[in-house]
Amino acid sequence: GAVVSQHPSRVICKSGTSVKIECRSLDFQATTMFWYRQFPKQSLMLMATSNEGSKATYEQGVEKDKFLINHASLTLSTLTVTSAHPEDSSFYICSASLNRDTEAFFGQGTRLTVV
Amino acid sequence: AQSVSQHNHHVILSEAASLELGCNYSYGGTVNLFWYVQYPGQHLQLLLKYFSGDPLVKGIKGFEAEFIKSKFSFNLRKPSVQWSDTAEYFCAADYGSSNTGKLIFGQGTTLQVKP
Repeated sequence: GAVVSQHPSRVICKSGTSVKIECRSLDFQATTMFWYRQFPKQSLMLMATSNEGSKATYEQGVEKDKFLINHASLTLSTLTVTSAHPEDSSFYICSASLNRDTEAFFGQGTRLTVV
Repeated sequence: AQSVSQHNHHVILSEAASLELGCNYSYGGTVNLFWYVQYPGQHLQLLLKYFSGDPLVKGIKGFEAEFIKSKFSFNLRKPSVQWSDTAEYFCAADYGSSNTGKLIFGQGTTLQVKP
């Protein structure tokens, strides 16, 4: 199957700083990637759709100025959590699909802890 | 609103017991359905998917699911579970006439299989 890789897998940052998370499709090109957030013991919540070469589409209630998404190439999307606060601590997961006939493939996730 | 609901939040079974995890999705027209598994410390993996055709879908590791349109359900089953099936299970839906990759997840079910 297709491989989606996220980096870093874990990050600890100080409150007020920004953190960038990368999502790469290793063996295929993805014009669209998705970013999810997973709280402990809860499900994945879609945050935004990352579109290559254009602005991301954010879900209702997600602050676009706080969660900056850049999809500059067909194999890389980045999520930057700006001015992070402890409540932003969570597990962030990205996904991408090969095409419309296949399922989404997920990255291994990034555990963000804001102290 | 489009939503996915999983009835069982935490299931404990002994090895060789049969498993059925409930999943219901809200009406929203055309829908593609998925079951993903998340083993401890690992990323989400696809168990099986339903796009169209035979409503009884067979997946990996002996899992199967049945799409019942009249009940808006897509329950996951396995005749005999193993200790290695201990994991988090997520039902997900992709609404729309084509498989977009944008998923709405259920709350997840934690399965614990006792040896």
